[in-house]
Amino acid sequence: NFMLTQPHSVSESPGKTVTISCTGSGGNIASNFVQWYQRRPGSAPTIILFEDKHRPSGVPDRFSGSIDSSSNSASLTISGLKTEDEGYYFCQSYDSNDLVVFGGGTSLTVL
Amino acid sequence: QVTLRESGPALVKPTQTLTLTCTFSGFSLNTRQMCVSWVRQPPGKPMEWLALIDWENDKQYMTSLKTRLTISKDTSKNQVVLTMTSMDPADTATYFCARLNLRSWYFDSWGQGAMVTVSS
Repeated sequence: NFMLTQPHSVSESPGKTVTISCTGSGGNIASNFVQWYQRRPGSAPTIILFEDKHRPSGVPDRFSGSIDSSSNSASLTISGLKTEDEGYYFCQSYDSNDLVVFGGGTSLTVL
Repeated sequence: QVTLRESGPALVKPTQTLTLTCTFSGFSLNTRQMCVSWVRQPPGKPMEWLALIDWENDKQYMTSLKTRLTISKDTSKNQVVLTMTSMDPADTATYFCARLNLRSWYFDSWGQGAMVTVSS
């Protein structure tokens, strides 16, 4: 089965850049699109990147995504960090067995 | 504007059946390519996809929970219902419904989630 692994937590200072990885195992991460979601405490998850790197309207260009086939991983990069970026970020892709697979999620602290 | 809202019991006893309702607006499940899905997140654990139903009434389930799950829709009420039988404390989680974009397999809108605790 295809699995996605994320770091449990990351932290960085306001104004800096942080990258969250999403590493695939049991399959090629580039075979299907990867999406990224943000969930703030008490709020519904929202999509911030779809199809690896595309931002829905309203998502600032401080958020960017990429795929690295050599490491079989996807990355979410947030530049110019703001305190409002604090929250839980998770990646998601397609799996031929269970159709939808999620990463374990990463807690981002901006301090 | 697309909105989804989950409703159901906050507490169920072990062995009972859970019934959750997703009431949505801003789209119709009669429309081609529309799909609604259920996802859950146990406390401190990752998101877990459970089931989906699409405009053609095609239904798909998480393999390991397939025998316990049933998803259905009532297009006249704009609702999708998920039932899960034989509830166990391990099923304690926040349950979300979300609209699934079938073209690229991503969830473009989510509900706020409904916390369900399984305890006697």
